[in-house]
Amino acid sequence: QVQLVQSGSELKKPGASVKVSCKASGYSFTSYALNWVRQAPGQGLEWMGWINTNTGNPTYAQGFTGRFVFSLDTSVSTAHLQISSLKAEDTAVYYCARVGSSWYESDYWGQGTLVTVSS
Amino acid sequence: DIQMTQSPSSLSASLGDRVTITCRASQSISTYLNWYQQKPGKAPKLLIYSASTLQRGVPSRFSGSGSGTDFTLTISSLQPEDFATFYCQETYGTLMYSFGQGTKLEIK
Repeated sequence: QVQLVQSGSELKKPGASVKVSCKASGYSFTSYALNWVRQAPGQGLEWMGWINTNTGNPTYAQGFTGRFVFSLDTSVSTAHLQISSLKAEDTAVYYCARVGSSWYESDYWGQGTLVTVSS
Repeated sequence: DIQMTQSPSSLSASLGDRVTITCRASQSISTYLNWYQQKPGKAPKLLIYSASTLQRGVPSRFSGSGSGTDFTLTISSLQPEDFATFYCQETYGTLMYSFGQGTKLEIK
């Protein structure tokens, strides 16, 4: 069965960096793109962008350029989200989600990774 | 950017009720509209994509309709497990796939 398993919660200080991983199983990793979605505490969902798992080409939404980097390690069917120069407002749950079809829907989701930024 | 506006923001309903949630796009998005359900502490779950296609495994009491700028999600007969927050999302835009602000469905 399709599964996306994300890395565990992180507590970081402002200015530090964090890397969240998303390991896929149960399907051909390079056949489906991956979305990244952010959810701040008590807030709604924000689409951060997506990565083409075949080419490795990332696309970043407005507001997620510069400090946010999507990458892949296709040898282990894993996608990564790295955030640098962390700020308190980056505190959120970060989700990876598989793009199911040409309608770009997110059909399978990881369980989410809570990143807390606090001094 | 395309703006997505859901209404209502919250809703109280009883078991067995028929419920409709509306999502309006700031410009035409054809049928590039998805609906998700999220329960507290859990990842969102895809219910409907391309405005009206039911995702595999989702109960048939959920349905979606609309095209262009106006869309609806309908639950025909509320079950206990349906109480959650629902989000629409457009996937028509370039460089931004906006979500609605969410509709919280609570038990009356």
